[in-house]
Amino acid sequence: AQSVTQLDSQVPVFEEAPVELRCNYSSSVSVYLFWYVQYPNQGLQLLLKYLSGSTLVKGINGFEAEFNKSQTSFHLRKPSVHISDTAEYFCAVSLMNTGFQKLVFGTGTRLLVSP
Amino acid sequence: NAGVTQTPKFRILKIGQSMTLQCTQDMNHNYMYWYRQDPGMGLKLIYYSVGAGITDKGEVPNGYNVSRSTTEDFPLRLELAAPSQTSVYFCASSYPMGGSGVGDEQYFGPGTRLTVT
Repeated sequence: AQSVTQLDSQVPVFEEAPVELRCNYSSSVSVYLFWYVQYPNQGLQLLLKYLSGSTLVKGINGFEAEFNKSQTSFHLRKPSVHISDTAEYFCAVSLMNTGFQKLVFGTGTRLLVSP
Repeated sequence: NAGVTQTPKFRILKIGQSMTLQCTQDMNHNYMYWYRQDPGMGLKLIYYSVGAGITDKGEVPNGYNVSRSTTEDFPLRLELAAPSQTSVYFCASSYPMGGSGVGDEQYFGPGTRLTVT
């Protein structure tokens, strides 16, 4: 069975600083990879996803992530964060070869941006 | 489009009571899902549906039931509420662009915060 590990439960950062949120996954078969963001008191919203092709994926709000198959990682990065980026970020995987998409989520990383 | 809507936003139940969490989407999505989110944990899939009349269990289905009589609605039923069901519940939907739905974006509702005491 696949699993997702987000090692950092909370990442504090100052406004305009760069940030990296780490995600590692475990799976015996190929997977699709996702990052979702949850703003306070809201549902989840897709930031970006990797299905195939270029391993560097660009998403909304200036975020990007790089798929590294050898390290089974899909870290999320932003070169300069804003206060409005304060939210919870979830990494998720789904198996490529199943007949239906079942997302497996990590435990989330809370990004706290301060002035 | 309103997207995915959920009612109620908040609810407090006593142990043993029953309730239905409502979920409606207006995007004509075939696939719908129910998740629960516990503090410090990721989302866990409770039930899902690939179309009207078709439902299946997810990772944590015990204590819940679902039905899907229309494309738009996917209610989640709690029959005998227990404190372990205190959680935030999210409904989501997706459109199977690639046939099986694998790799598609899921659209989430704002959630229902349920407390069972």
